[in-house]
Amino acid sequence: GENVEQHPSTLSVQEGDSAVIKCTYSDSASNYFPWYKQELGKRPQLIIDIRSNVGEKKDQRIAVTLNKTAKHFSLHITETQPEDSAVYFCAARGPQGGSEKLVFGKGTKLTVNP
Amino acid sequence: DAGVIQSPRHEVTEMGQEVTLRCKPISGHNSLFWYRQTMMRGLELLIYFNNNVPIDDSGMPEDRFSAKMPNASFSTLKIQPSEPRDSAVYFCASGWTSGIGEQFFGPGTRLTVL
Repeated sequence: GENVEQHPSTLSVQEGDSAVIKCTYSDSASNYFPWYKQELGKRPQLIIDIRSNVGEKKDQRIAVTLNKTAKHFSLHITETQPEDSAVYFCAARGPQGGSEKLVFGKGTKLTVNP
Repeated sequence: DAGVIQSPRHEVTEMGQEVTLRCKPISGHNSLFWYRQTMMRGLELLIYFNNNVPIDDSGMPEDRFSAKMPNASFSTLKIQPSEPRDSAVYFCASGWTSGIGEQFFGPGTRLTVL
């Protein structure tokens, strides 16, 4: 089955700096890769996602890149702000018609220091 | 739309007691997922349903756990008997099988087994 590895487990940056979180997946058939943000005591919420027919997607200060050959994808946050502090999870899902389940990474705790 | 609704939000019980967690998915969604989140194990998928039918229960830890989805608007996760190691936050999420794969999480139930 699918296995998703996420690094680093913790990341501390200064406000205004960029943050990068990386994930690798094992199943080459996976074709949907969402990123969720979870603030303390709250539910995970989708912040951006990418499908396997796209190499990069951007939404304001966040972007996701996907390298299908290497089976890895990354989250990039630019101009970080204290409110970006949270735990970020990557996930991977198989093709439509197969398993709908998302396999999550272990999470990265991002701390943005003012 | 009210989003995914879970009840109770907090549950404290004693070891050996039966616990029932409830979930109402977003209207129109036909997939429902139960997750467990702990510091040690991260976010784990327990079971998911498509069109009220259990598809993959490989994440259910043992026979003490059971889940049902009697109709499109209601699901339960039951633990009987409960044990201290079941203490965790349990999330329900819903989505569409024909969609892009996004899952919408409920607020979670924080379960403490004494």
